[in-house]
Amino acid sequence: DIQMTQSPSSLSASVGDKVTITCQASQDINDYLSWYQKKPGKAPKLLIFDASNLETGVPLRFSGSGSGTDFTFTINSLEPEDIATYYCQQYDNPPFTFGPGTKVDFK
Amino acid sequence: QVQLVESGGGVVQPGRSLRLSCAASGFPFNNYGMQWVRQAPGKGLEWVAVISHDGTTRFYSDSVKGRFIISRDNSKNTLYLQMYSLRVEDTTVYYCAKVRAPVVVAAPLGSWGQGTLVTVSS
Repeated sequence: DIQMTQSPSSLSASVGDKVTITCQASQDINDYLSWYQKKPGKAPKLLIFDASNLETGVPLRFSGSGSGTDFTFTINSLEPEDIATYYCQQYDNPPFTFGPGTKVDFK
Repeated sequence: QVQLVESGGGVVQPGRSLRLSCAASGFPFNNYGMQWVRQAPGKGLEWVAVISHDGTTRFYSDSVKGRFIISRDNSKNTLYLQMYSLRVEDTTVYYCAKVRAPVVVAAPLGSWGQGTLVTVSS
């Protein structure tokens, strides 16, 4: 099975800050990586797919990059509504494992 | 507009069974693979299972393999998760999700239901 790691596990930032989260796969996943936003009591929301493609309707301040085994998720200018936990997920090979998540809150 | 509505959650004793349903609407259900994802209280997202658009391909996580069965009834636009031999650690919110692209099994999850809570407790 492919293992996914994320760092940091949590971070504190201020409105307007640039936030960066990294995700690493235990093997090459051919860029089959997505990023989700999860808020308490809400369903997860797809933000980025295929490592760098922005899902329809998602604000441009969100972006993804990377390839192979190493990926980065960025929020260019943190907004109050971005407080959430962010997960990466690989869909190259089942089981389609998630990373452990990165909790983003306000400093 | 895609709508996914889970049902069937509740309280069940360890070792018992439960079947979850996910009613789908707003898209051609028989064209899309579907998945189950769960999240235990205070924990991260855990992928559970996937089924292809036509039901011929299924994969499971190691934690549920041999105990859970994913299935679908395309005539009823409904996804199922039959859970056997439930354990305390299966206590989570279960989400059904639709893959983003038609026909493929391996794809990001573009639409999600609101989830149904399963509590396994004696």
